[in-house]
Amino acid sequence: DAGVTQSPTHLIKTRGQQVTLRCSPKSGHDTVSWYQQALGQGPQFIFQYYEEEERQRGNFPDRFSGHQFPNYSSELNVNALLLGDSALYLCASSLVGQETLKNYGYTFGSGTRLTVV
Amino acid sequence: ELKVEQNPLFLSMQEGKNYTIYCNYSTTSDRLYWYRQDPGKSLESLFVLLSNGAVKQEGRLMASLDTKARLSTLHITAAVHDLSATYFCAVDTDKLIFGTGTRLQVFP
Repeated sequence: DAGVTQSPTHLIKTRGQQVTLRCSPKSGHDTVSWYQQALGQGPQFIFQYYEEEERQRGNFPDRFSGHQFPNYSSELNVNALLLGDSALYLCASSLVGQETLKNYGYTFGSGTRLTVV
Repeated sequence: ELKVEQNPLFLSMQEGKNYTIYCNYSTTSDRLYWYRQDPGKSLESLFVLLSNGAVKQEGRLMASLDTKARLSTLHITAAVHDLSATYFCAVDTDKLIFGTGTRLQVFP
């Protein structure tokens, strides 16, 4: 049973560049959430995608954007990279309950370590 | 704005001792999770607490949830070195809001 798969595992970019991170959810999950974890801090919610739409968004600038595909996989794009964007980016998949519309069963991927120089 | 606070932020404890990590949060939620994170690694799910009064135990760790007090605890019994890691609680408001983390170091 494949869990959540993220790629790449590590990435080094230069300030001002753009980056795309990818996430394949756990089999049977339909929702993908992205989190940013800076060194020494807890993960911060970026946004969540369900039915190919952005369902919720955290307090991140528009430089952070995303997409969900029909197969439920997702991409996180960051434009005009800043040094402060250096972090571990975590993807979590879950399943939305049809009656409650709440998320169940969060599963995290192994993350993408982004370094901006 | 929802706040999730953990204490202590850092815990250094001797093997064999007991201790409790506290997680306080500022909004109504009946779903709370505990995760473990080793340096440079992703999050490992430890406990899923889905109702008031929920108590779960796995090995030397036991977690509980009091939704009325907006408090969860993670109790460590007879600590061993392998438990050294950072522990996060996360409140589920249909997105996860993480606490500040507690860095646990267990020494002989």
